[in-house]
Amino acid sequence: GQNIDQPTEMTATEGAIVQINCTYQTSGFNGLFWYQQHAGEAPTFLSYNVLDGLEEKGRFSSFLSRSKGYSYLLLKELQMKDSASYLCAVRPGGYQKVTFGTGTKLQVIP
Amino acid sequence: GAVVSQHPSWVICKSGTSVKIECRSLDFQATTMFWYRQFPKQSLMLMATSNEGSKATYEQGVEKDKFLINHASLTLSTLTVTSAHPEDSSFYICSASGGRAEFSEQYFGPGTRLTVT
Repeated sequence: GQNIDQPTEMTATEGAIVQINCTYQTSGFNGLFWYQQHAGEAPTFLSYNVLDGLEEKGRFSSFLSRSKGYSYLLLKELQMKDSASYLCAVRPGGYQKVTFGTGTKLQVIP
Repeated sequence: GAVVSQHPSWVICKSGTSVKIECRSLDFQATTMFWYRQFPKQSLMLMATSNEGSKATYEQGVEKDKFLINHASLTLSTLTVTSAHPEDSSFYICSASGGRAEFSEQYFGPGTRLTVT
């Protein structure tokens, strides 16, 4: 089976940096995605990692270590609008289906 | 980026009736579409995967006779919830992807909130 773990909730201060961790145990690995989901809305794509290392995209960065089954999403210069759930998703094989973690609800406070 | 639309955005229906939800890729051809269900404070649960022109592949525990999926074209997939019951009330989200199977980002629709009374 597939197992993806993320912290349930996190709180961080506006302007600060926050790191959201994700660990996974899957039958195979062919990519890890991070999505942002605001309450009542559909997820929006943030990042994709398939090789080890850090991918940076503006205020958001995502890191992957395949040997450790570990990824993190780093959000810099936090803004109030960053308050949302962040979903880690893994694609176990070559097929496009992905498995989502339960998500981390991030609250940004002033 | 690619745009996926869903219709309706919300629907209220009576128990025992059927509801059809449409998912369209507006500016790309979606070789694969996915249907998810999300209950409050829970993550997305994949219900089924559909490829254009072929039968959908349902996840374990999802009744294929209750959740009818049709992917008749590269831009349209429909999910019909038949004989809906209050426990089917949920947020239904579709996603679409195209291109190479090795890396295909999923583009999500805005979701359809179904309430069965």
